Amino acid sequence: QSVLTQPPSASGAPGQRVTISCSGSSPNIGGHSVHWYQHLPGTAPKLLIYSNDKRPSGVPDRFSGSKSGTSASLAISGLRSEDEAAYYCVVWDDSLRGHVFGGGTKLTVL
Amino acid sequence: EVQLVESGGGLVQPGGSLRLSCAASGYTFSAYDMHWVRQVTGKGLEWVSSIGTADDTYYAGSVKGRFTISRDNAKMSLYLQMNSLRAGDTALYYCIRARDGFDFWGQGTMVTVSS
Repeated sequence: QSVLTQPPSASGAPGQRVTISCSGSSPNIGGHSVHWYQHLPGTAPKLLIYSNDKRPSGVPDRFSGSKSGTSASLAISGLRSEDEAAYYCVVWDDSLRGHVFGGGTKLTVL
Repeated sequence: EVQLVESGGGLVQPGGSLRLSCAASGYTFSAYDMHWVRQVTGKGLEWVSSIGTADDTYYAGSVKGRFTISRDNAKMSLYLQMNSLRAGDTALYYCIRARDGFDFWGQGTMVTVSS
């Protein structure tokens, strides 16, 4: 059981907006930046959002991140079929002295 | 072009050892922290270990005392020495470059611990 809690699944129709949450606590999200990754089957995970709300070059602005207190969120607008993937949050944890991943959220585009 | 190529995975018996390697190219290896992350088939991602540019090392509790991470900047290579392997260590191991987040991942090398 991860110290970061993500919903195991999420879904939305093409064109819709979905939000994936990542809930933590003071030693992790409360004090450090959150990063988000997209993982398509058979490929290496891809960095989507870093430092809570920044997009690497090449990531569409349909993807956005936010953080408030001990929770973070990833929002995907204008859903496309190619967005169907697993999404993970990750952050440093002061208590564990290491990085921790959320359990992952499987996004289904209906 | 940035490349991270893992090697050294394979089948090993419980209690055995393996050494994973990751060959980096296309960037200044010494300027980046490096990490290992693993994924058990069908499960989520799990952070394993990291080494900073100053050779500071960190480990997940599940591998501490059994795994050792190291780097050779001259060879642009990252290593993970894995001892006392258990069935629970069976996973795909990714080598990752990090600065602002884990910004580049290798394709992974598979480790199977089984008798």
